Amino acid sequence: DAGVIQSPRHEVTEMGQEVTLRCKPISGHNSLFWYRQTMMRGLELLIYFNNNVPIDDSGMPEDRFSAKMPNASFSTLKIQPSEPRDSAVYFCASSLYISPRKHVSANYGYTFGSGTRLTVV
Amino acid sequence: QKEVEQDPGPLSVPEGAIVSLNCTYSNSAFQYFMWYRQYSRKGPELLMYTYSSGNKEDGRFTAQVDKSSKYISLFIRDSQPSDSATYLCAMGIDRDSGAGSYQLTFGKGTKLSVIP
Repeated sequence: DAGVIQSPRHEVTEMGQEVTLRCKPISGHNSLFWYRQTMMRGLELLIYFNNNVPIDDSGMPEDRFSAKMPNASFSTLKIQPSEPRDSAVYFCASSLYISPRKHVSANYGYTFGSGTRLTVV
Repeated sequence: QKEVEQDPGPLSVPEGAIVSLNCTYSNSAFQYFMWYRQYSRKGPELLMYTYSSGNKEDGRFTAQVDKSSKYISLFIRDSQPSDSATYLCAMGIDRDSGAGSYQLTFGKGTKLSVIP
């Protein structure tokens, strides 16, 4: 398995431009998460999907951020317009959720991609 | 008060030392406790996973959970330079709300350097 695949690895863009980050989760995983990591704030959950449906987007900073998951194998995070304060590393993670009522010993760990390092100048 | 507190370090130890990394938390409902290791310019990778209280050992790594004190620890025995990384604790609640998923809350991470 190739793991969670993110693209691009690095993105440098000018303030005001649209940025699109892409993620391919692990095949068979039913949950997908978008995180942002900075030195000051650590890992922040932006949004997560289950079975392609957005469950909680309360972490999305503002209307400039949007995320989609059109199918089980692809998700995008879009920032429009981008601002310098959006500069961070953006991670996508996926997991297989099994209710503990069905499988108490299930492993609930996330598998992270390698991240996209975004710099907005 | 943040839900999960973790000393950011940095922590520097000589090769072969025993390392102790810790997190405290405030939400008594947390059920799942994990440790992730993150190398520079890489994504976090799952290192240890524990459900509820107790100890779990995997090679040189031991994870401990004390729910009564709301305190979790990761011990690394015979530390190696290859253990140099940032270690993040993470905790989760399975609300089983029918939404079909759950969230992890992460600590900010402790940066560890093991000096040869």
